[in-house]
Amino acid sequence: KQEVTQIPAALSVPEGENLVLNCSFTDSAIYNLQWFRQDPGKGLTSLLLIQSSQREQTSGRLNASLDKSSGRSTLYIAASQPGDSATYLCAVSTSGSRLTFGEGTQLTVNP
Amino acid sequence: ETGVTQTPRHLVMGMTNKKSLKCEQHLGHNAMYWYKQSAKKPLELMFVYSLEERVENNSVPSRFSPECPNSSHLFLHLHTLQPEDSALYLCASSLQGWGTTEAFFGQGTRLTVV
Repeated sequence: KQEVTQIPAALSVPEGENLVLNCSFTDSAIYNLQWFRQDPGKGLTSLLLIQSSQREQTSGRLNASLDKSSGRSTLYIAASQPGDSATYLCAVSTSGSRLTFGEGTQLTVNP
Repeated sequence: ETGVTQTPRHLVMGMTNKKSLKCEQHLGHNAMYWYKQSAKKPLELMFVYSLEERVENNSVPSRFSPECPNSSHLFLHLHTLQPEDSALYLCASSLQGWGTTEAFFGQGTRLTVV
């Protein structure tokens, strides 16, 4: 059974800091890995999708890496802003159409 | 806007009520999903539909009944729910139903069972 773990559970940083969020998964047989952002009481916004054959993806200030063999992914946020405050979720796609989620990292960026 | 729209956004219902959640996607996707998000727990997959056919039922109690009349619409019919069913219910869609493509989520329906 696939399990996804995200560390840390919560993170508070001053504005402008670069930061890294971590995601690990137990079964390396994945199709892809997706990072999402969730604002309080809202749905999920897709940030980055990394296919199993890829090593990283970039979008603006966000960079996600994937090391499938070790079951790890990182989301790097450069020059953080208060508007980045949200919960960040990692999810892996395995057999069939199942997305398995981690519990998320709650990020607070202080002005 | 993600292209996936859920209604209503909030719902309060009694344990004897019957209600339905609606999801609509305008992305031309062929797969749609229901997820449940409870406090302090990861998102849990409930149902998967691919080309209007249910392809996965993740051991969900029968008081939750999904319906997919076409590839753009997905419903979740609710009856005789329990207070522990209170949660955020999220709908998602993807181009294909076998997990290789990006998933897009709606804003969710916050359900409270009283």
